[in-house]
Amino acid sequence: GENVEQHPSTLSVQEGDSAVIKCTYSDSASNYFPWYKQELGKGPQLIIDIRSNVGEKKDQRIAVTLNKTAKHFSLHITETQPEDSAVYFCAASKGYSTLTFGKGTMLLVSP
Amino acid sequence: DTGVSQDPRHKITKRGQNVTFRCDPISEHNRLYWYRQTLGQGPEFLTYFQNEAQLEKSRLLSDRFSAERPKGSFSTLEIQRTEQGDSAMYLCASSLAGRSDEQFFGPGTRLTVL
Repeated sequence: GENVEQHPSTLSVQEGDSAVIKCTYSDSASNYFPWYKQELGKGPQLIIDIRSNVGEKKDQRIAVTLNKTAKHFSLHITETQPEDSAVYFCAASKGYSTLTFGKGTMLLVSP
Repeated sequence: DTGVSQDPRHKITKRGQNVTFRCDPISEHNRLYWYRQTLGQGPEFLTYFQNEAQLEKSRLLSDRFSAERPKGSFSTLEIQRTEQGDSAMYLCASSLAGRSDEQFFGPGTRLTVL
């Protein structure tokens, strides 16, 4: 089955800095890669996703890149703000199917 | 608020008791998923439904677990003879298969087995 590795497990940045979280996946048939943000006591919230026919996608301060050959994808957050502090999860699926999640990255943005 | 609701939000029970959780998906969504999340880990897939049909079950889903979606709308997840290892957050998600891959998660039910 699919295996998703996520790094780093924790990330501390100063407000205004950029943050990068990286994931690798094992199943070359995976074609959908969402990123979720989870705040304490809440369910995961979809923040951005990318499909295998696209190399990069941006939404304001958030961007995701995908390298299908290397089987890795990354989340980039620019101009970080304290409210970006949360746990971020990457995931992979074969489309219209179950998600396999990474173990998460705790992002702490200090004012 | 994603539009997916779960009830209860918290459940404390004693080992050996049965518990049941409910999930109400976004109304037009035909797919409903159950995931389990333990502390410091990502959600792990348990099972999913397309309309009323349970299409896939994970090896994590022991025979003490049963899920239903009788009318293709809400779903229930029952755990019989709970064990301390069942303590986790149980998450429900829904999607509109055939139109979008996006899965929208509910707030979860936090289960504590004493």
